[in-house]
Amino acid sequence: DIQMTQSPSSLSASVGDRVTITCRASQGISSYLAWFQQKPGKAPKSLIHTASSLQSGVPSKFSGSGSGTDFTLTISSLQPEDFAIYYCQQYNSYPWTFGQGTKVEIK
Amino acid sequence: VQLVQSGAEVKKPGESLKISCKGSGYSFTNYWIGWVRQMPGKGLEWMGIIYPGDSDTKYSPSFQGQVTISVDNSISTAYLQWSSLEASDTAMYYCARSPVILVLYAGAFDIWGQGTMVTVSS
Repeated sequence: DIQMTQSPSSLSASVGDRVTITCRASQGISSYLAWFQQKPGKAPKSLIHTASSLQSGVPSKFSGSGSGTDFTLTISSLQPEDFAIYYCQQYNSYPWTFGQGTKVEIK
Repeated sequence: VQLVQSGAEVKKPGESLKISCKGSGYSFTNYWIGWVRQMPGKGLEWMGIIYPGDSDTKYSPSFQGQVTISVDNSISTAYLQWSSLEASDTAMYYCARSPVILVLYAGAFDIWGQGTMVTVSS
C-alpha cells in the first residue's frame, strides 16, 4: 500500500495568515492526489483533484501543487470558516489511501 | 447532485446490517461510488469502490472479506453490508462519488453523502 504522510499534524494560525500543508507519498503517484476538508460533525468536502485542480465551487484561496511524491495545499488567507481538518488522498493505485490529517486551529 | 445515506443504526455484535447510499441528479451508472470509514475521533479510511455500470468492485485488503459493496441500479442505490458485526465496526461510514477518468478508472471523490453512524454494542 502507498503510505501518505501529512505535515504538520496540527497547526495554529491567525485569520489572514497564509497556510501550507504538505503531503508526501511513499512512492510516486503522478498527479493522482486529492485534498479534502472536514469540519467537526460534518462529512468531508472535496477541495482539489489531480493535485492542483479545484473542485467545482471551491474558492480560489485554496490551491494545490506537486507531482510524484511531494504535494502541498495552500490557503492564501485563512478565514474563520477554514478552521478544520484537511486530508490528502492518493488515487493512483488500489487501495486508495488517506493521509492522517492536519488540524488547522485558531491561534 | 447529491448522495443521501440511510439513517443511524444501533446493532448487537453478530448481527447483520446493510446501509445505503442513494444517488440523484446525475447518471448513477456512469460514476463510481466509494465507501470510507471514520472511527470515532480518527481519520478517514478507504474501504472500497464499485462501478455501477458493470459492478466492477475494488476492496481495500483491510476490509476484503469483512464487508460487501453492491448496487441496485433500478433505484440508483449503493450498499455496504456486514454479515456479522463486531464492536470494532462502530464508526461513521461515508459514501462518495467518483467520476470516470481515462475511460476505465476512478477519479477523485467529488460528492459525499452525509454519513451513516453505525454503533455496535451488546
